[in-house]
This record gives sequence, C-alpha cells and structure tokens, in this order.
Amino acid sequence: GENVEQHPSTLSVQEGDSAVIKCTYSDSASNYFPWYKQELGKGPQLIIDIRSNVGEKKDQRIAVTLNKTAKHFSLHITETQPEDSAVYFCAAIEGGYSSASKIIFGSGTRLSIRP
Amino acid sequence: NAGVTQTPKFRVLKTGQSMTLLCAQDMNHEYMYWYRQDPGMGLRLIHYSVGEGTTAKGEVPDGYNVSRLKKQNFLLGLESAAPSQTSVYFCATRTAGLSDTQYFGPGTRLTVL
Repeated sequence: GENVEQHPSTLSVQEGDSAVIKCTYSDSASNYFPWYKQELGKGPQLIIDIRSNVGEKKDQRIAVTLNKTAKHFSLHITETQPEDSAVYFCAAIEGGYSSASKIIFGSGTRLSIRP
Repeated sequence: NAGVTQTPKFRVLKTGQSMTLLCAQDMNHEYMYWYRQDPGMGLRLIHYSVGEGTTAKGEVPDGYNVSRLKKQNFLLGLESAAPSQTSVYFCATRTAGLSDTQYFGPGTRLTVL
C-alpha cells in the first residue's frame, strides 16, 4: 500500500520569510495529493490540492509542486504570517476516483512563525 | 448547516469499558471515515464506509467496530477499551464522484486509564 513520508517534523521561520515542506510517496498509482492545515484543537482543513496531471498549483501565498517521476511533492508558503502557524499534513490518495479514496497521511510538520 | 459533528468532544474511560463515538453529517455525503491521530504519526484510517449499510477496514481496525445504519451517521465502537486506544479520533466525509476532498469533524479526545 501507499506510504507517505514528510519532512521536516518541525519548522520555524521568521515572519515574512518562506516555508517549504516536502513529502514523498511510494505508490505510482496515486493521483491526488491534498495538503491539510490543522490548528490547535480543530480537525484538519484542506488548504490546497494537486492532481497528477499538473506540475504546480498556486493559491495566493500557497503553492504546491509535484514531481511524478521522483514521487515527491512540496508545499510552499510565501510571505508567512503569524496565522500560518499550525500543523501541516501532506497526503496521497490510494486508488484514485475508482475507490473509496483512502487518504494516506504524512506524519505532519509543525510550522511556527517567529514575529 | 453544521457540516461534520462529533459526539462527545472528550471522554475518559477505564480499561475494559465500552463506548460509542458518533459522527453526524448534513452534507449528504456518501463516504465516511474514522481516523485516529497520535503524536508524530499523522492520521491513520480505522474504518470507512462507502454508503448506508456498508463498512470496510482501514489501516488500524483492530479493537474497533463501526456501523452505518443511516447515511448521515457513522458510529465507532470500542467494545473493551485499552490504554493503547488513547488518542484523538476524527471523522471525515466525502461525496462520491470526481471530488476527493474529505471534510473533517472537530475531533473526540479519548483517554483510557
């Protein structure tokens, strides 16, 4: 089955700087890669996703890149702000549309933004 | 429109006790999932359901049972709780079709003493 590895486990950046979180996956059949943000005491919320037919996707200060050959994808946050502090999870879909789309999560990155 | 709700929010059990966690959704989603979240391990899938009356095992199903008698509810049961089941439990839902986005509930923090 799918295995997702995420690095780093903790990340501290100065406010205004960029943050990058990297993930690798094992199943070449995976075709959907969401990123979730989890704030303290809350459930994960989808912030951006990318499908395997696209190499990059942007949404304001957030971007995700996907390298299918190397089986890795990354989250980029630019001009970081205090409200970006949270735990971020990458994930990969095992099976795609034809299945119940069981998401396999990475272990999470705790991002802290220093004022 | 409440989205995905979970009951209870917190619970403390003694080893061997039983309990049921309730997940309710008002989005008419076909698929529902139960995850557990432990420090440093992300979220792991316990069981899931692709529709009313159906359930299937995820990554870590042992010690748990589920039922989906109504489309809007997905129950997670612990028949004989163990300290290893101390965790935060999240329910998620997804609509069938071309969208893979899962929507998560606020979580239930369970402690087994």
